[in-house]
Amino acid sequence: QSVLTQPPSVSGAPGQRVTISCIGTNSNLGDIYDVHWYQHLPGTVPRLLIYANTHRPSGVPDRFSGSKSGTLASLAITGLQAEDEADYYCQSFDNTLSAWVFGGGTKLTVV
Amino acid sequence: QVQMEQSGAEVKEPGASVKISCKAAGYTFTNYHVHWVRQAPGQGLEWMGIINPSDGSTSYTQKFQGRISMTADKSVNTLFMEISGLESDDTALYYCARERADSSQEGLDPWGQGTLVTVSS
Repeated sequence: QSVLTQPPSVSGAPGQRVTISCIGTNSNLGDIYDVHWYQHLPGTVPRLLIYANTHRPSGVPDRFSGSKSGTLASLAITGLQAEDEADYYCQSFDNTLSAWVFGGGTKLTVV
Repeated sequence: QVQMEQSGAEVKEPGASVKISCKAAGYTFTNYHVHWVRQAPGQGLEWMGIINPSDGSTSYTQKFQGRISMTADKSVNTLFMEISGLESDDTALYYCARERADSSQEGLDPWGQGTLVTVSS
């Protein structure tokens, strides 16, 4: 059971918009700590998608965006493409655990 | 080009130890913290710990306290993680990952390619 809660799965049709939530507590997202998002395709290395809540590393399409408010963070993907089918993880720091933590992951299916 | 190159797959018996290496290249080794993350079959990403290569200071998640050791060899720009008392539940893909920024929390990038550790008798 992760301290960051994500839905196990989400789905959407090509071209649609989907959001993935990451719910934390006052000891992580609700405190001063930022959230980061990773995309993990089967057989590949996790890829940093969004850092510090809203920032995209170079090379990440602007179809991906992040937001954070209080203990809730969200990853939005617009114009869904088949290649977006992957597992998505949020990550932050928890000051009660004094540890970095990942959400349980969300499997995105493009139907 | 910044790269993290990990050692190859390992097969170990229960109770044994394993030491994984992660060779860094393309940046100043001592300027960036490195994390270790694992993924067991069918499971999500699990954070294990962090090391500051500059002074060797570490912080481990409580689950692994007393069983893991992270070290850094500045002479060869290489990080190491050793896990002792292996159990079947330790079968996983182990990643090293560098922090994206040297002075603020900006996530992990890049990642090593992963080292598969299989624990089996």
